[in-house]
Amino acid sequence: EVQLVESGGGLVKPGGSLRLSCAASGFTFSSYSMNWVRQAPGKGLEWVSSISSSSSYIYYADSVKGRFTISRDNAKNSLYLQMNSLRAEDTAVYYCARAYLKTFDYWGQGTLVTVSS
Amino acid sequence: EIVMTQSPATLSVSPGERATLSCRASQSVSSNLAWYQQKPGQAPRLLIYGASTRATGIPARFSGSGSGTEFTLTISSLQSEDFAVYYCQQYNNWPITFGQGTRLEIK
Repeated sequence: EVQLVESGGGLVKPGGSLRLSCAASGFTFSSYSMNWVRQAPGKGLEWVSSISSSSSYIYYADSVKGRFTISRDNAKNSLYLQMNSLRAEDTAVYYCARAYLKTFDYWGQGTLVTVSS
Repeated sequence: EIVMTQSPATLSVSPGERATLSCRASQSVSSNLAWYQQKPGQAPRLLIYGASTRATGIPARFSGSGSGTEFTLTISSLQSEDFAVYYCQQYNNWPITFGQGTRLEIK
């Protein structure tokens, strides 16, 4: 069974940093591109970042480019999102999602990031 | 950036009836269009990819159609568990973009 479990969310002040993690199991992690997708409270879905299976290709939404860094450790079956210079508008539930043809076929339950003073 | 526009914002339909949801792209995305269902407090679930291919385990009452800039998700006979928010997503170009969602509610 495919499982994706996010962690690392919490309350952080504007300008602060946070690192999200996603632990994957039930599939060959190193064979799949992975993604972060976020959802602000009461709002729609926003794609944040994608990383290819070997980390050769990385993409970011303009809204996070230069502030967020996606990475992965295939030996640990883990995906990460380093978030710096956080803003109030980054407040959201952050989902880890497996890629299938650049769609998202499996999702974690999400971790809430709140940016507030 | 390709802008995805869904209509209507809210759709009220009775159980057992057909629901038709629309999604329009600001430029052609070919058939690189997916649909997701999201229930309150849950992660989204992939329903359709390639505009018309059902994802694994998705019931046959869900169908997708369209290509280019105009797409439709049809639910042929609504069940109680189908009332949720539905999102379309294009994956033809970076950045990947989603529509704003259609809330399907019980009439």
